Amino acid sequence: AQSVTQLDSQVPVFEEAPVELRCNYSSSVSVYLFWYVQYPNQGLQLLLKYLSGSTLVKGINGFEAEFNKSQTSFHLRKPSVHISDTAEYFCAVSDSGGSNYKLTFGKGTLLTVNP
Amino acid sequence: NAGVMQNPRHLVRRRGQEARLRCSPMKGHSHVYWYRQLPEEGLKFMVYLQKENIIDESGMPKERFSAEFPKEGPSILRIQQVVRGDSAAYFCASSPRTAGAGTDTQYFGPGTRLTVL
Repeated sequence: AQSVTQLDSQVPVFEEAPVELRCNYSSSVSVYLFWYVQYPNQGLQLLLKYLSGSTLVKGINGFEAEFNKSQTSFHLRKPSVHISDTAEYFCAVSDSGGSNYKLTFGKGTLLTVNP
Repeated sequence: NAGVMQNPRHLVRRRGQEARLRCSPMKGHSHVYWYRQLPEEGLKFMVYLQKENIIDESGMPKERFSAEFPKEGPSILRIQQVVRGDSAAYFCASSPRTAGAGTDTQYFGPGTRLTVL
């Protein structure tokens, strides 16, 4: 079984500042990793995912994340945020084997971008 | 192309009543997944269905909960004799093939928020 810890429940930042949303996972097997974003009154939308290969993954809207196996982390970063990035962000993990459709999510981080 | 639709968006039930949550997958998607988010927790997998088949229900509570995805119509998550502990947000996702292939994304609906009085 896997678990995900998102260390910050809320992250307030000013517009154009850089941001890092932290995610750590626990698993006894190889994993796939995901970041989803949820805007108000909408479904979760995939930002990016790590399956294999390069540990630096680029996603939509200027976000990127780096897989660090030794630290079991998959932190999400953006060099300069916009007001429109205000949303809840969820980190998720699945095993890379036969039941890899089962996503396990963290509790979410509410990113608030202030003018 | 409409996304995953869920209705109702909010549902209030009294203890002992039945709750029916509906999920219409994206057009062309034949795989549906249900997740539950209890207060202060992350989303947790409940069940994976294909048309007319339950593939994996390992995350479903053993009693009172059932799910179906008929040949025609939406997927239904049914909770009988609801209790206060069933209060949660229930999310549905869909994919065109098994998401576990790693190349297919699960597309999520906006969720149904169930409140049990």
